[in-house]
Amino acid sequence: AAGVIQSPRHLIKEKRETATLKCYPIPRHDTVYWYQQGPGQDPQFLISFYEKMQSDKGSIPDRFSAQQFSDYHSELNMSSLELGDSALYFCASSLKQRSNEKLFFGSGTQLSVL
Amino acid sequence: RKEVEQDPGPFNVPEGATVAFNCTYSNSASQSFFWYRQDCRKEPKLLMSVYSSGNEDGRFTAQLNRASQYISLLIRDSKLSDSATYLCVVKRAGTYKYIFGTGTRLKVLA
Repeated sequence: AAGVIQSPRHLIKEKRETATLKCYPIPRHDTVYWYQQGPGQDPQFLISFYEKMQSDKGSIPDRFSAQQFSDYHSELNMSSLELGDSALYFCASSLKQRSNEKLFFGSGTQLSVL
Repeated sequence: RKEVEQDPGPFNVPEGATVAFNCTYSNSASQSFFWYRQDCRKEPKLLMSVYSSGNEDGRFTAQLNRASQYISLLIRDSKLSDSATYLCVVKRAGTYKYIFGTGTRLKVLA
């Protein structure tokens, strides 16, 4: 079965640079979520989209933005990168119509800011 | 205080042992509950949803206590491959937020 696809798997950037992370949800899933997980930390909710509209917002810095496109894929744009942005970034998708909808995660993008 | 709390462990148990984890949540509007498993530097993977009546999947049993606002996970006959971090996840009604606990580390020893 198709899973959530994230790219790239690894990304190395320098301070003040920009980065774009991509996420392709499971086919027919209509909701996408972004999480940030620092070393030894639990995943922190950043932002979610339902049917291409922002549906909820968590601890996403103002330097970050995201959107969901017509084909339901999503991109997380990160600008003015800081050392503290180094983390694993996970994308997850779900199907809203299902009650008790479950989250399915991609393999993540490891971002290292030097 | 975090909205979803877990004992970080680690829980070190011998193979074949039974181990239980608890998770407490503070928001009474929480609607859906899950246990995820995460291996080091890998993505969280759904272990099981948690239903009000309690549910079982093989060696794993999950319970929900809405009155006391906690959920539990019981693992019977632990295997070496059960070694991982177990994350409690709570979704609030009317939102798209899934809140993760800090996770409980389990190490099953040979």
